Amino acid sequence: ELKVEQNPLFLSMQEGKNYTIYCNYSTTSDRLYWYRQDPGKSLESLFVLLSNGAVKQEGRLMASLDTKARLSTLHITAAVHDLSATYFCAVDSGSRLTFGEGTQLTVNP
Amino acid sequence: NAGVTQTPKFQVLKTGQSMTLQCAQDMNHEYMSWYRQDPGMGLRLIHYSVGAGITDQGEVPNGYNVSRSTTEDFPLRLLSAAPSQTSVYFCASTEEAGLQNSGANVLTFGAGSRLTVL
Repeated sequence: ELKVEQNPLFLSMQEGKNYTIYCNYSTTSDRLYWYRQDPGKSLESLFVLLSNGAVKQEGRLMASLDTKARLSTLHITAAVHDLSATYFCAVDSGSRLTFGEGTQLTVNP
Repeated sequence: NAGVTQTPKFQVLKTGQSMTLQCAQDMNHEYMSWYRQDPGMGLRLIHYSVGAGITDQGEVPNGYNVSRSTTEDFPLRLLSAAPSQTSVYFCASTEEAGLQNSGANVLTFGAGSRLTVL
């Protein structure tokens, strides 16, 4: 059974700081997705990582995938308040996506 | 183009009642799925379908039924509601699912249905 673990689960950071969210998974997959969820809202796709070494960047967020280590990272650069949300990674095992627990990010002024 | 439409947005049930959460998509997607979201547990897959007439169980299927008579619709039925089914439910779809294709299976989510079982 595929397990997907994120850490940290809660992250409070100051504006302007950098931080990384980690997503580890237990079985072989070369497809990983990052989603964002604002409070009370649905999930929106952020990044699609389809191969080992894939790196995607959008604004202050950068995601990478290491399939050998079964690890993806979501790096936040110079955080701003608008990035406050819950971030989920999800691993594609062929017929389903398995989600991590989510990382609730709060960016404080 | 409405995307994925879920109804109702909110529902309160008593233990033992039955109900159906509706999900419709207008993108001609083959793959549809239902997830439930509970605090600290991420999203867990309940049932999914890879096309009309085909459904399969996910991680937490007990207490739920689904059917897929058309490409557009994928209703989720709670047969006899229990307090443990209090949750937020999300329907999602994507063009196709499977490692055989070369594209990405990015899910489009509905707005969610918040269900409370008393």
